[in-house]
Amino acid sequence: LAKTTQPISMDSYEGQEVNITCSHNNIATNDYITWYQQFPSQGPRFIIQGYKTKVTNEVASLFIPADRKSSTLSLPRVSLSDTAVYYCLVGGRMDSSYKLIFGSGTRLLVRP
Amino acid sequence: DVKVTQSSRYLVKRTGEKVFLECVQDMDHENMFWYRQDPGLGLRLIYFSYDVKMKEKGDIPEGYSVSREKKERFSLILESASTNQTSMYLCASTSGTFPYEQYFGPGTRLTVT
Repeated sequence: LAKTTQPISMDSYEGQEVNITCSHNNIATNDYITWYQQFPSQGPRFIIQGYKTKVTNEVASLFIPADRKSSTLSLPRVSLSDTAVYYCLVGGRMDSSYKLIFGSGTRLLVRP
Repeated sequence: DVKVTQSSRYLVKRTGEKVFLECVQDMDHENMFWYRQDPGLGLRLIYFSYDVKMKEKGDIPEGYSVSREKKERFSLILESASTNQTSMYLCASTSGTFPYEQYFGPGTRLTVT
């Protein structure tokens, strides 16, 4: 079963690019990688998802190397409102069953 | 706008009580999940349901049960609450087509004394 490891915390400044890496050495062939953002007193919110190579949407990019043993969430030009906890999720659906492994989260602090 | 609601934001119960946590989604999603969230441990899957009356155990089902009588509603039951079940409980739902983009409720912070 895939285990995910993320840095506990990161600091950045407004306007910088932030890269958060998640390690998942035992990822299975049919596992996807998903990232969520969580603010205090709220449930996590979906940011981006990928299987391999690079995925980009309006808020973030996700880089996945060929061996898929890690992934990097990239947040361009962060603002104060990006201060949150970011979770990496590895897993997926197998028939009627789910295997879902969340990392313990990375607390990002964006400073002015 | 999509919505997942949970019956309580905060709940305080005594050891040994039977506790019901309710979750309702309005997106007609097939799949619903219950997680608990603890500091340093992230989110851990307790149970999930892929259809009405269907359920599967997650990683930490001990001490919990679930019920899904209607598609939009998924209940988590603590048969006999214990202090080690003090936690934040999060419900989520997702469609069968996009199983990874889960929509979460705001959470219920349960304290068992």
